[in-house]
Amino acid sequence: DAKTTQPTSMDCAEGRAANLPCNHSTISGNEYVYWYRQIHSQGPQYIIHGLKNNETNEMASLIITEDRKSSTLILPHATLRDTAVYYCIVRPSSGYSTLTFGKGTMLLVSP
Amino acid sequence: GAVVSQHPSRVICKSGTSVKIECRSLDFQATTMFWYRQFPKQSLMLMATSNEGSKATYEQGVEKDKFLINHASLTLSTLTVTSAHPEDSSFYICSARDSGTRGPYEQYFGPGTRLTVT
Repeated sequence: DAKTTQPTSMDCAEGRAANLPCNHSTISGNEYVYWYRQIHSQGPQYIIHGLKNNETNEMASLIITEDRKSSTLILPHATLRDTAVYYCIVRPSSGYSTLTFGKGTMLLVSP
Repeated sequence: GAVVSQHPSRVICKSGTSVKIECRSLDFQATTMFWYRQFPKQSLMLMATSNEGSKATYEQGVEKDKFLINHASLTLSTLTVTSAHPEDSSFYICSARDSGTRGPYEQYFGPGTRLTVT
């Protein structure tokens, strides 16, 4: 599976948009970009995924560059409860591969 | 959405004893379940993959005789840490793949079990 690179940590003010970048320059044509997050001492939570097009759901938006070598997860109005480690994972579309977690980005949302 | 439960959420045991952790898919069937381990300030590391009715596949460096995995039904997998030692203290998280869908939510995570070996 393609490797991803994320910043170690980011800060965001409550109510502002949080933009979390992810580089995946070796991504293959059949690989999706998935985002999960893990709040302290809890199991990972699925956020969103995409292949080529930008995606939006009730939690976040995912912007994927045209060359698919990087993406950005956007939390439009961050709250204190969004403080968590965010993982960007590249995974083949078959869905039968396991999820391999990197170190992720620790997002701290402050009042 | 699909729910995965784990029991217990926390367990403390003495060194040398065995501990069993249960993972259940509550509203879907899971042909495949995964067990992860997470040490403090580190990411999740896959320990093993289990398929219902067959032997688990362990990742390199994970002792299969120490971490016994049983996946006897489509909704239950168990992880038994045998002869536990303090270095086995960790956060154990299970994940279940929904057999009935190929959608993006096909892998769901449990809330985790905090194991402390004294």
